[in-house]
Amino acid sequence: EPEVTQTPSHQVTQMGQEVILRCVPISNHLYFYWYRQILGQKVEFLVSFYNNEISEKSEIFDDQFSVERPDGSNFTLKIRSTKLEDSAMYFCASSPQKLGNSPLHFGNGTRLTVT
Amino acid sequence: AQTVTQSQPEMSVQEAETVTLSCTYDTSENNYYLFWYKQPPSRQMILVIRQEAYKQQNATENRFSVNFQKAAKSFSLKISDSQLGDTAMYFCASPDAGGTSYGKLTFGQGTILTVHP
Repeated sequence: EPEVTQTPSHQVTQMGQEVILRCVPISNHLYFYWYRQILGQKVEFLVSFYNNEISEKSEIFDDQFSVERPDGSNFTLKIRSTKLEDSAMYFCASSPQKLGNSPLHFGNGTRLTVT
Repeated sequence: AQTVTQSQPEMSVQEAETVTLSCTYDTSENNYYLFWYKQPPSRQMILVIRQEAYKQQNATENRFSVNFQKAAKSFSLKISDSQLGDTAMYFCASPDAGGTSYGKLTFGQGTILTVHP
């Protein structure tokens, strides 16, 4: 069964550094998402992406965050200048249709640790 | 704003017994899906079961079934014949797909389920 793949599985970075989290969504999916989960807390929506542009973003997704789909297969999340509170599990997800009609398929996540 | 409430932070059950995890949600949508996701210690997010709101019949997936009460906006998960591998955090999720939104999932706070041998 096709999967959403995320790399790396674990990223450690120093505060103030830029990080790029990478995702390869399922190939025929059209809607792409990033979620994050701070340890012990619930999963929170960050951003959705459709037709090569952001369709919705949450309050968490401030100017430090950006997303890109540079080559038609990868979907990246960039954090420009990481803060300690960015430490979390970041999940990429994709869906073939608008979410109300189909489930999200999640990747295995990237654990980001900011020191 | 969309809200999803799981009122049981932790539950435990003996192996082979049945357990029910509760969830209530709030949506203005008329046609939607609801989801239960399982998150084992590896922290993957695994889809357990989904329910289509316009279907009266409760969804069933092997040992997992839901009790969907649309009017009450309640969506509980029943796990029958619990197995040790069911030990995980369980999240209920409801899509916020209204208006121009392409849909985002709002998750509940999660219920930690522990299955004891």
